[in-house]
Amino acid sequence: SQTIHQWPATLVQPVGSPLSLECTVEGTSNPNLYWYRQAAGRGLQLLFYSIGIDQISSEVPQNLSASRPQDRQFILSSKKLLLSDSGFYLCAWNGQVMGQTEAFFGQGTRLTVV
Amino acid sequence: KQEVTQIPAALSVPEGENLVLNCSFTDSAIYNLQWFRQDPGKGLTSLLLIQSSQREQTSGRLNASLDKSSGRSTLYIAASQPGDSATYLCAVNRDSGGSNYKLTFGKGTLLTVNP
Repeated sequence: SQTIHQWPATLVQPVGSPLSLECTVEGTSNPNLYWYRQAAGRGLQLLFYSIGIDQISSEVPQNLSASRPQDRQFILSSKKLLLSDSGFYLCAWNGQVMGQTEAFFGQGTRLTVV
Repeated sequence: KQEVTQIPAALSVPEGENLVLNCSFTDSAIYNLQWFRQDPGKGLTSLLLIQSSQREQTSGRLNASLDKSSGRSTLYIAASQPGDSATYLCAVNRDSGGSNYKLTFGKGTLLTVNP
C-alpha cells in the first residue's frame, strides 16, 4: 500500500534561518506531489506541485521554494525564514483508488518562526 | 478564482444527533469534491470523494451529496459520536480532469460532539 512520510513533525526556527522539510512517498512511482500550507485562520493553500523529477510549479509568490531530486521525494525549502512562514505544512500526492483519483496527505509539519 | 465556503464554522451537538455540514463553491466547473477530516495537529484523512457526475457517496454513517450546478455539497453525519469530534474540510479539484489534482479548500467546520 502507498504511504506518505513527512518530517519533522514540529519545528521552531528563528527568523532568518534556513528551512528544509522533507516528504517521501512509498508504494507508488511517478506520483504527482504537492505542498500545502495551513496558516492560522486561513484555509489550506496550495504552494507547489510537481509532476516529475525537477518539474516544479509554484502556485503563489512567496519566500519558499520546492525541489524534487528523486521520483518520490519532495522538499520544501527557504533560505531565510520570515515570521509569516509560520504554519502547518502538508505534503500530498494523488493516486488512484478504485478507479478514482484521490488526494492523500501526510501528517504535516508544524513550523513556528520566532 | 474558485472560492470554497463552509458553514457553520463551528458546531457543537449532543451525542446521537444527526447533523449536516455545508460547503459551497463559486465555480461549478469542478472535476470532483473531497471531504476530509482533520484531528488537532494532524494531517488530513479522506472521508468521501464525489466525482462531478455523481450526486452522492456514502460510507458508514457518512453521506455526502453534490449539487454541482448550484455549487453546493453537504456532509451528513448520522448518530454522531464523541469520536467524530474534529475539523471537517471540503475541497474541490479545480483542474479540468487531467492528471493534476489541485485542491481549493474551505476553512473547515469544527465539530464537537458532547457525550
